Amino acid sequence: DAKTTQPPSMDCAEGRAANLPCNHSTISGNEYVYWYRQIHSQGPQYIIHGLKNNETNEMASLIITEDRKSSTLILPHATLRDTAVYYCIAFGGTSYGKLTFGQGTILTVHP
Amino acid sequence: DGGITQSPKYLFRKEGQNVTLSCEQNLNHDAMYWYRQDPGQGLRLIYYSQIVNDFQKGDIAEGYSVSREKKESFPLTVTSAQKNPTAFYLCASSPTDKATYFGPGTRLTVT
Repeated sequence: DAKTTQPPSMDCAEGRAANLPCNHSTISGNEYVYWYRQIHSQGPQYIIHGLKNNETNEMASLIITEDRKSSTLILPHATLRDTAVYYCIAFGGTSYGKLTFGQGTILTVHP
Repeated sequence: DGGITQSPKYLFRKEGQNVTLSCEQNLNHDAMYWYRQDPGQGLRLIYYSQIVNDFQKGDIAEGYSVSREKKESFPLTVTSAQKNPTAFYLCASSPTDKATYFGPGTRLTVT
């Protein structure tokens, strides 16, 4: 699975969009980009995933660059409950759920 | 109500005792996983199973054992051979080619 790099922490004002970047420059053609988040002392929560097209669901949007070397998770209207550690993971093929979690980005949403 | 159940939420044991953590899912997922998380760290894969009666070691399997006798159940035993068993343990499941979903976790403390 490709290595991903995320900033260790970010801040966002409540009601504003939170844009969380992720670099995955060694991603291979069959690897998806997955995003999870973990609120303190809870299990990680699946947010969204994509291969090369931009994706949107009820939680967030995922923008993947054309060369697939980086992506951005967008929370359009951040709330205090979005404060969590956000993990970007690149994996695919036969890896199934054998996810490799890095340190992630600690997103703090301020009132 | 579909999901992954882990029990108990908190577990305390004396050093030298084996302890079994429960994980049940009613999502009809083929694959199940056990992860360990230490304070301030990402998740690390202990064991995984892609089908009943079959399982493979993950990155940190030493001192742990599992069984997969039923599709919906994947118990993890933390043996006395595990040198640092105190941690947050997360069970997960996935269909073979879709997102992985996590349980609420069990926090094990060994003294």
